[in-house]
Amino acid sequence: DAMVIQNPRYQVTQFGKPVTLSCSQTLNHNVMYWYQQKSSQAPKLLFHYYDKDFNNEADTPDNFQSRRPNTSFCFLDIRSPGLGDAAMYLCATSREGLGVPYEQYFGPGTRLTVT
Amino acid sequence: GENVEQHPSTLSVQEGDSAVIKCTYSDSASNYFPWYKQELGKGPQLIIDIRSNVGEKKDQRIAVTLNKTAKHFSLHITETQPEDSAVYFCAARVGGNEKLTFGTGTRLTIIP
Repeated sequence: DAMVIQNPRYQVTQFGKPVTLSCSQTLNHNVMYWYQQKSSQAPKLLFHYYDKDFNNEADTPDNFQSRRPNTSFCFLDIRSPGLGDAAMYLCATSREGLGVPYEQYFGPGTRLTVT
Repeated sequence: GENVEQHPSTLSVQEGDSAVIKCTYSDSASNYFPWYKQELGKGPQLIIDIRSNVGEKKDQRIAVTLNKTAKHFSLHITETQPEDSAVYFCAARVGGNEKLTFGTGTRLTIIP
């Protein structure tokens, strides 16, 4: 059974048209991450939620926002997509807070195309 | 901050032979080292990990070794099969920090 679910798997949007990507998890993990991955590159962390606390990476553009309404769901909003935002967006989760590092699990990703 | 270097960037191996991918990290406070396999169009899949209190871990054909003194860790795949063809990423995590720092990836191709 899928543990980290991303919808949609493929998303096409127009230049400048807001888009929302969603992620849900059945693991009850308290940390959720959003990564951007471009072709032949490593995943690049955009931000993450530790419980309800939002942690933005210093180089994440303001164009990217996130919401986490509850433990299971997290959304990535791109307010005005540019051509350079075309990429695979990956959601990941982990369980933290017990003093030892735990595994981070990724979803299947959403491939975003900007036309 | 942590920096992870990964080599080689591409690796071709004859089916049945072994493959080794190496990573080095910079922060001696790193204590967790996962390896991910990513197939085309899919999300990274955790295949094995090691914590800093262990020097080696094995899971069937896959093993990871860690040398804390030299600050490097390696992925070993034995008896390679065509389905092992993928991009492999190493990562490191500093203790007390929930973020991973990834290596640049290795594209492994198994030649039938």
